[in-house]
Amino acid sequence: EPEVTQTPSHQVTQMGQEVILRCVPISNHLYFYWYRQILGQKVEFLVSFYNNEISEKSEIFDDQFSVERPDGSNFTLKIRSTKLEDSAMYFCASREDRGGVRGYTFGSGTRLTVV
Amino acid sequence: AQTVTQSQPEMSVQEAETVTLSCTYDTSENNYYLFWYKQPPSRQMILVIRQEAYKQQNATENRFSVNFQKAAKSFSLKISDSQLGDTAMYFCAFMKHVSAGNQFYFGTGTSLTVIP
Repeated sequence: EPEVTQTPSHQVTQMGQEVILRCVPISNHLYFYWYRQILGQKVEFLVSFYNNEISEKSEIFDDQFSVERPDGSNFTLKIRSTKLEDSAMYFCASREDRGGVRGYTFGSGTRLTVV
Repeated sequence: AQTVTQSQPEMSVQEAETVTLSCTYDTSENNYYLFWYKQPPSRQMILVIRQEAYKQQNATENRFSVNFQKAAKSFSLKISDSQLGDTAMYFCAFMKHVSAGNQFYFGTGTSLTVIP
């Protein structure tokens, strides 16, 4: 079964450093998403991306965050200057159809630890 | 705005028994989708079951079934013949029928432990 692949599985970074989280969505999917889950809390929407631009973003997704699909296969989330509160599990997801019937396919997540 | 409420932070069930996880939601939309996701200790998000709001028939996937009450905005998950591998966090989620981003709105989760 096709998978959404996220790398790395765990990243530790120093506060103030830039990090790039990488995702390879399923090849025929058109819609891409990033979600965040702070430990012990619910999964929260960050941003959706379609046709090479952001479709929607949440209040969490401020100027420190950016997304990119640089080469038609990878989908990246960049955090420019990490803060302690950015420590969380970050999930990438992709979806094929617009109607939402099939739901999403989530990746296995990247655990980001900011120290 | 859409909200999803899971009022049971933790639940436990004996192996082979049946357990029901509760979920309520609030929306002004008429067409939408509801989902249950499972998150085992590995923290991967795994789709368990989904329901289209326009369908009156409750969705079923093997040992998993839902009780969808649209008027009451309730969407509970029933797990029959519970297995040790069912131990996980379970998230109820809502998705609007059509929006530019089609994002999920998740509940806060229910931690289910299956006791041998």
